[in-house]
Amino acid sequence: GAVVSQHPSWVICKSGTSVKIECRSLDFQATTMFWYRQFPKQSLMLMATSNEGSKATYEQGVEKDKFLINHASLTLSTLTVTSAHPEDSSFYICSAAPEETQYFGPGTRLLVL
Amino acid sequence: GENVEQHPSTLSVQEGDSAVIKCTYSDSASNYFPWYKQELGKGPQLIIDIRSNVGEKKDQRIAVTLNKTAKHFSLHITETQPEDSAVYFCAAPANAGGTSYGKLTFGQGTILTVHP
Repeated sequence: GAVVSQHPSWVICKSGTSVKIECRSLDFQATTMFWYRQFPKQSLMLMATSNEGSKATYEQGVEKDKFLINHASLTLSTLTVTSAHPEDSSFYICSAAPEETQYFGPGTRLLVL
Repeated sequence: GENVEQHPSTLSVQEGDSAVIKCTYSDSASNYFPWYKQELGKGPQLIIDIRSNVGEKKDQRIAVTLNKTAKHFSLHITETQPEDSAVYFCAAPANAGGTSYGKLTFGQGTILTVHP
């Protein structure tokens, strides 16, 4: 149980394009989902907290117009990186929390050329 | 908010030995402490967690101990195997008792290497 999927697992795009990443909880409903970014050999950096049916709460320093988050249902949240640039290249991970425990997806590696 | 410190940053052991990773936290109201294992190129996987109403929890070769007075908790892996090699993260509630339910503060991570 407690399986979280992410799609795509990796994506390569050209600078200036937008990329959408999906996060789904497969066997439970998640009132809250979280989006993280992780740089090589570093810890998880929380970008935003997503609650179903309401606007996401972004961490300080994260551009909400750059990283659009939509939490349309209790099992799906999406992160859209708008007008991506090479510095947005990273490993993006979502997690879903039915209660206080977070269950993570497998991550999406984004490479912007 | 919560502050979590994790040590050591790297840990190298021989197969069969035990490994211990320790984390300290700052908010005495924190009551939930998960541990995650992250393999290369994958998302973190919850391996064990403990709540503040118990001092120790075991699951086969993995155990977690909690000392609320000293505000630290530790991950113990016994009889280590090469497949235990990964990065391990501890975490604590970012704002215990506040409005950020489910939000976690993570430690810096420990790279565990188990040599055959």
